[in-house]
Amino acid sequence: QSALTQPASVSGSPGQSITISCTGTSSDVGGYNYVSWYQQNPGKAPKLMIYDVSNRPSGVSNRFSGSKSGNTASLTISGLQAEDEADYYCSSYTSSSTLVFGGGTKLTVL
Amino acid sequence: QVTLRESGPALVKPTQTLTLTCTFSGFSLYTSGMCVTWIRQPPGKALEWLARIDWDDDKYYSTSLRTRLTISKDTSRNQVVLTMTNMDPMDTATYYCARGRHGVDVWGHGTTVTVSS
Repeated sequence: QSALTQPASVSGSPGQSITISCTGTSSDVGGYNYVSWYQQNPGKAPKLMIYDVSNRPSGVSNRFSGSKSGNTASLTISGLQAEDEADYYCSSYTSSSTLVFGGGTKLTVL
Repeated sequence: QVTLRESGPALVKPTQTLTLTCTFSGFSLYTSGMCVTWIRQPPGKALEWLARIDWDDDKYYSTSLRTRLTISKDTSRNQVVLTMTNMDPMDTATYYCARGRHGVDVWGHGTTVTVSS
């Protein structure tokens, strides 16, 4: 199972919106509404931010939203804040009943 | 509150077998639909899914590591064990156990394993 494709880095200024893409295939992203997004700060375990494409766990800011079109899922962060600076990973359920992760995106808040 | 904690050796030699234990609380593998997953992250690199065991003892493995991995559970002790054979320096990583099938909702803190002679 090949890793999902994410941009290596994105950046934005405080208050702006950014979008991180996550591209897979019809055997993962395109085939299931089981895309999740995780935020990882240095030295910490990842934290679930979005599940099942567009659902936010309790306690996650509504500035985080997710969507999907075809084989590409997206995470949008609106009203960017300094505390959002982190690495972001997507994952998708696959036709093999496994999970596949993206390569990760480093978000820099300028 | 759901928690998971990984334990195992911090250092293993090349060719040795790694055994990691995940001890969890707040849920049970007696419960239909529950599962435990192992994921690793080499230093500075991306997350990599390794294996999953379900409440009904179904097991799933990474295609690339299938021949080296074994996952098992002790339901009564709330523990899941992952073994990885023939360890190589490339297997140096932080290993996480977590809960989830379609995604991961709760992660352990991770345990760092270094493979070196």
